[in-house]
Amino acid sequence: DQQVKQNSPSLSVQEGRISILNCDYTNSMFDYFLWYKKYPAEGPTFLISISSIKDKNEDGRFTVFLNKSAKHLSLHIVPSQPGDSAVYFCAASARYGGSQGNLIFGKGTKLSVKP
Amino acid sequence: GEEVAQTPKHLVRGEGQKAKLYCAPIKGHSYVFWYQQVLKNEFKFLISFQNENVFDETGMPKERFSAKCLPNSPCSLEIQATKLEDSAVYFCASKPGAMGNTIYFGEGSWLTVV
Repeated sequence: DQQVKQNSPSLSVQEGRISILNCDYTNSMFDYFLWYKKYPAEGPTFLISISSIKDKNEDGRFTVFLNKSAKHLSLHIVPSQPGDSAVYFCAASARYGGSQGNLIFGKGTKLSVKP
Repeated sequence: GEEVAQTPKHLVRGEGQKAKLYCAPIKGHSYVFWYQQVLKNEFKFLISFQNENVFDETGMPKERFSAKCLPNSPCSLEIQATKLEDSAVYFCASKPGAMGNTIYFGEGSWLTVV
């Protein structure tokens, strides 16, 4: 039973355009959400996060949107750059119950940004 | 240190042999996590520590897997009598404390059981 789902295994985008990566979750106890970026043969690198008390968080070219009623979040990258090509993992945490801060990950979406 | 340091980067073991992986969390971080990633799929949580105490071990297989975080030593994850299905990348991660929400990962240790 997957609690965090990334339904698109891959996404291809032209350089300069917007990349939108989606993530759905089922556990209503989750109250903190993170996006990690992973290059081959490296560990995941933290990108951006959002608390459940917010619906948007922005950091430079990266914005995360949270829709609690739909149990859905998305990561927007604009403008996309070839260096953004990587696998993006959505992760969720229930800080005050259940997983005690442990992260539950989706299966990842491979983003390819073409020059 | 400024990053989570994992050793070895690569480890090859014959079936039935023991495998031991090490992790030094970021200096000042009191929580350590171990995750297993098999065949590029999602990360499976194994165990977490708060300093040297086991915090959450709900993901640890009941047999063959053990982990420790002792004072003044790197944390370790040990697999006794390895099996082919233990082949995976094992990631260690750490976070500053209970109120810190972001977990920072190491580069991973690639275990291949042949």
